[in-house]
Amino acid sequence: GAGVSQSPSNKVTEKGKDVELRCDPISGHTALYWYRQSLGQGLEFLIYFQGNSAPDKSGLPSDRFSAERTGGSVSTLTIQRTQQEDSAVYLCASSYTSGYTDTQYFGPGTRLTVL
Amino acid sequence: AQTVTQSQPEMSVQEAETVTLSCTYDTSESDYYLFWYKQPPSRQMILVIRQEAYKQQNATENRFSVNFQKAAKSFSLKISDSQLGDAAMYFCAYSLRGGADGLTFGKGTHLIIQP
Repeated sequence: GAGVSQSPSNKVTEKGKDVELRCDPISGHTALYWYRQSLGQGLEFLIYFQGNSAPDKSGLPSDRFSAERTGGSVSTLTIQRTQQEDSAVYLCASSYTSGYTDTQYFGPGTRLTVL
Repeated sequence: AQTVTQSQPEMSVQEAETVTLSCTYDTSESDYYLFWYKQPPSRQMILVIRQEAYKQQNATENRFSVNFQKAAKSFSLKISDSQLGDAAMYFCAYSLRGGADGLTFGKGTHLIIQP
């Protein structure tokens, strides 16, 4: 079946602009995760959804970051007023359930460049 | 907080030889999961192998096996009969049971396969 998909693959934006990153998980997967991968910070966990709810948003780097998930499927990660330090690869992963820690399957990521 | 340490930024091995990648972690929890993920230049994070902490038997997947030492908090990956396609970044990762905290990753080891 189809894997996790993310769009766009690459995004170049100007400092101060808003961007939306999209993740389409594997069909039937209830858990969805966002990570950020940068040279300086490595791989950081940002947020987790079980269904449409995100019980803990403390991993988001700042209040300019927000995420939502609708219909238990597609998720969008929004970054407002982008800064150069937001430049990174944003990875999305999904799993069947997080009840006992199921394997997370990753998408190909979105490379964000803020000029 | 949990931490994962990979002390080898880069490793090189001859094709068909065996290589071992090191990983140590720090946690006060007893019920957790450990993973090795592979990330080739395509950015796609691919699960290599997974180990449940409550299992004493080391996990194996074809040419890949782990040496899990729970008391020492060590989780090394052995790749036998190395192939050119094994060249990639390898990340060790930790997850608490339940998965709601996401994966905690090490900094990664860049594996080079010499033909």
